[in-house]
Amino acid sequence: SQQGEEDPQALSIQEGENATMNCSYKTSINNLQWYRQNSGRGLVHLILIRSNEREKHSGRLRVTLDTSKKSSSLLITASRAADTASYFCATAALGNRDDKIIFGKGTRLHILP
Amino acid sequence: EAGVAQSPRYKIIEKRQSVAFWCNPISGHATLYWYQQILGQGPKLLIQFQNNGVVDDSQLPKDRFSAERLKGVDSTLKIQPAKLEDSAVYLCASSSRPSGQYFGPGTRLLVL
Repeated sequence: SQQGEEDPQALSIQEGENATMNCSYKTSINNLQWYRQNSGRGLVHLILIRSNEREKHSGRLRVTLDTSKKSSSLLITASRAADTASYFCATAALGNRDDKIIFGKGTRLHILP
Repeated sequence: EAGVAQSPRYKIIEKRQSVAFWCNPISGHATLYWYQQILGQGPKLLIQFQNNGVVDDSQLPKDRFSAERLKGVDSTLKIQPAKLEDSAVYLCASSSRPSGQYFGPGTRLLVL
C-alpha cells in the first residue's frame, strides 16, 4: 500500500525558477523523507524531517511538514537542468520501525533550458 | 566510500524461467533492503535484513520470491518461476541508521 501521494504528478518549469512539490499522507508518522531519482544517479536520499519538526533546509532544498494536515512540501530554489528527475516522498508510520518507509508514486520534474 | 553494488544491470528472461540478483551493500551497513519498482510507481519494500536475519518480509511473494543474506554482507534475491508482472526494477539499499537509505543502481528485469 502507498502511504504518500505526491502532487503534481508532473511539473515543467524554466531553469532558475523555484519548484514546489507536495506530499499528502494518511496515517500519523515518525518521519518523512524525500528522495530523488534520475537515470544517471539512481535513487538518492535528500532530506529527512521528523514529526516534531516543521521545516528543514539543505542547500537549495527546503522541506516543510504540517502534521495537522498530514502534508509536506519540497521546495527547490533556483532550479538547474540537473534537478530534472522524479521526486518521491517516503513516510515511516507511527508505531512502525523508523526505517520501514513507504514511497509515494512521485512527481516528475522537468527543468526547461 | 563505495556505493551499493548490484548485478546484473539488465536481465531479459521468459516467463516461468528463474532469475537471481546480487547486491553488495556499503561496508559496515547492517541493514539491507530489497525493493521492487514498477514503471511509474515508487519503490515497494520486498524484504529487509538486519545483519543476516530477516526483519520484514511481509510483502515478499514467498511462493516465487526468495532472498538470503549470508554472513550479513552480500545478498541475493531470486525469482522462480518468473511471471510477466515481475517486470520491474529491483533496487537494493543499505543503511547504518534510520535516517536515510543508500540505493544501488538497480537491476532492470523484463519478463517476456
